[in-house]
Amino acid sequence: DAEITQSPRHKITETGRQVTLACHQTWNHNNMFWYRQDLGHGLRLIHYSYGVQDTNKGEVSDGYSVSRSNTEDLPLTLESAASSQTSVYFCASSPWGTGVFFGPGTRLTVL
Amino acid sequence: GIQVEQSPPDLILQEGANSTLRCNFSDSVNNLQWFHQNPWGQLINLFYIPSGTKQNGRLSATTVATERYSLLYISSSQTTDSGVYFCAVPAGGTSYGKLTFGQGTILTVHP
Repeated sequence: DAEITQSPRHKITETGRQVTLACHQTWNHNNMFWYRQDLGHGLRLIHYSYGVQDTNKGEVSDGYSVSRSNTEDLPLTLESAASSQTSVYFCASSPWGTGVFFGPGTRLTVL
Repeated sequence: GIQVEQSPPDLILQEGANSTLRCNFSDSVNNLQWFHQNPWGQLINLFYIPSGTKQNGRLSATTVATERYSLLYISSSQTTDSGVYFCAVPAGGTSYGKLTFGQGTILTVHP
């Protein structure tokens, strides 16, 4: 079955380290998104991509970057992890004209 | 930006009861989604419903775009319905996939 996967599912890192969260979808969707979920703030958009080589900043993009070299993957990189980036990260994908589907999430703790 | 308000914030039911969750949004939108976040954190896509009414088993949803609200009906609730229900609309009203989420309704169903 087609699906969207994230890895790792849990990660503990230290302040200042570079961290990359992987997102892989087998639906062949053009559109991919990264959100973070925090108590009191709900879900907020970090970055998104509407196709290969296309990347765009979302509402809370500072300190994060993405790249899209193929249809299936949109890795999210934290350039220098900060405690404020402790969160649950969700990757999502969608075709045009229908709903957005979310991955299982990655729980990231920055110490 | 567009504002999304959900009510009630919390809802406690006995198994078998019916409930209605409401989502109000502050500007015109061209689509709306309902999600269920289960106790394990997974975000499950319930409905993509720009307008009109859709049904899926015990759940149904209605969106009245001209009046800027959507309703999610849960009939004959089960303990597995527990979790958080989110509605989400496009940021700016029409931007595809860039979702603005409400703060959610926490549903607890007791056996």
